Amino acid sequence: SQKIEQNSEALNIQEGKTATLTCNYTNYSPAYLQWYRQDPGRGPVFLLLIRENEKEKRKERLKVTFDTTLKQSLFHITASQPADSATYLCARTDSWGKLQFGAGTQVVVTP
Amino acid sequence: ETGVTQTPRHLVMGMTNKKSLKCEQHLGHNAMYWYKQSAKKPLELMFVYNFKEQTENNSVPSRFSPECPNSSHLFLHLHTLQPEDSALYLCASSHSGSGEISYNEQFFGPGTRLTVL
Repeated sequence: SQKIEQNSEALNIQEGKTATLTCNYTNYSPAYLQWYRQDPGRGPVFLLLIRENEKEKRKERLKVTFDTTLKQSLFHITASQPADSATYLCARTDSWGKLQFGAGTQVVVTP
Repeated sequence: ETGVTQTPRHLVMGMTNKKSLKCEQHLGHNAMYWYKQSAKKPLELMFVYNFKEQTENNSVPSRFSPECPNSSHLFLHLHTLQPEDSALYLCASSHSGSGEISYNEQFFGPGTRLTVL
């Protein structure tokens, strides 16, 4: 079966440092990978989308990479702030356009 | 808040009750989705509606019954649920081309926290 996996352990990081999250998938490479942020008790909020022919995408302090050889996407938060503390979800789009989500990685940024 | 609203935000029900969850989107989208999110588990896609037509039923038990009267509203009717159905139920919407599911980002509502006793 197709899987999409994220590190289940929380990532604790000091303010100002770069947080790096990993998303690994099995089987076919998706046409798109999306990253979402979810705060406790809230719905996910879209952050970035990267296509399979794109190596890197940036938005403000966020950067996403997509390596179809490694079947991996990395999500970076540079100059992290306590307000960045949340759970970050990776999702891939299948051939029917449906999203398959990972379980998410919690990020805790301490002052 | 996004342009997707959900009511109620919290619901406690017994196994013999019948209740409904409501979702409304104000974004002009034509695809709507129901997801289930249990603790420490990935979001599970339950149902997809595209232009008011159900295009996906992801092996969901019949005790969950969706309804999409128009492109802006989505309901999830619940009856004879089990305690393991307790979870956060999320509604989402997105743009979609005619006859196909969207590859665009999805906009989520805040969810309904459901507890089945």
